[in-house]
Amino acid sequence: GAVVSQHPSRVICKSGTSVKIECRSLDFQATTMFWYRQFPKQSLMLMATSNEGSKATYEQGVEKDKFLINHASLTLSTLTVTSAHPEDSSFYICSASGAGGLADTQYFGPGTRLTVL
Amino acid sequence: AQRVTQPEKLLSVFKGAPVELKCNYSYSGSPELFWYVQYSRQRLQLLLRHISRESIKGFTADLNKGETSFHLKKPFAQEEDSAMYYCALQGGGSEKLVFGKGTKLTVNP
Repeated sequence: GAVVSQHPSRVICKSGTSVKIECRSLDFQATTMFWYRQFPKQSLMLMATSNEGSKATYEQGVEKDKFLINHASLTLSTLTVTSAHPEDSSFYICSASGAGGLADTQYFGPGTRLTVL
Repeated sequence: AQRVTQPEKLLSVFKGAPVELKCNYSYSGSPELFWYVQYSRQRLQLLLRHISRESIKGFTADLNKGETSFHLKKPFAQEEDSAMYYCALQGGGSEKLVFGKGTKLTVNP
């Protein structure tokens, strides 16, 4: 149980375009979802926390107008990278919590590799 | 400020040898601490959390508040333990996790 999926797993786009990444909790209702960014050989950096039905809370230094987060249901959150540029190329990982027994345990998705040309 | 330090980027041991992955934290309150593991080409998954006081896959970790450490230990490493290990902290009633930079463990045959 407690499976989180992400789609797409890999995306390549042109500079200036927008890219949407989906994060789904497959077998539980996720009250909270988190979006992380991971640079090569570095740790995960939290970008934002989203709760279903409310606005996301962004970490310091993360542009909320650039990284749009929508958490419309208890099983789906989306991250849209708007007007993407090469410096946005990264590995984006979501996690979800709210799986019952260990309510604050985060379950991670497999990640999405974004490459902006 | 919350901070997690994993001083070793790389750690290499032989199969059957003991292994210890170090983690130190900085937090003024009572933290919850976790170890996550990422095997090659797989997602990050929870290995253990201090509050559970469990031993998972032979790994244990003890929270030492005096030394602000949460080192991960296993008495006899196996080749399948080769992976990236991340120590993480959660505090202040928040669900946010602060991760260390990770340690890549390689267990040689």
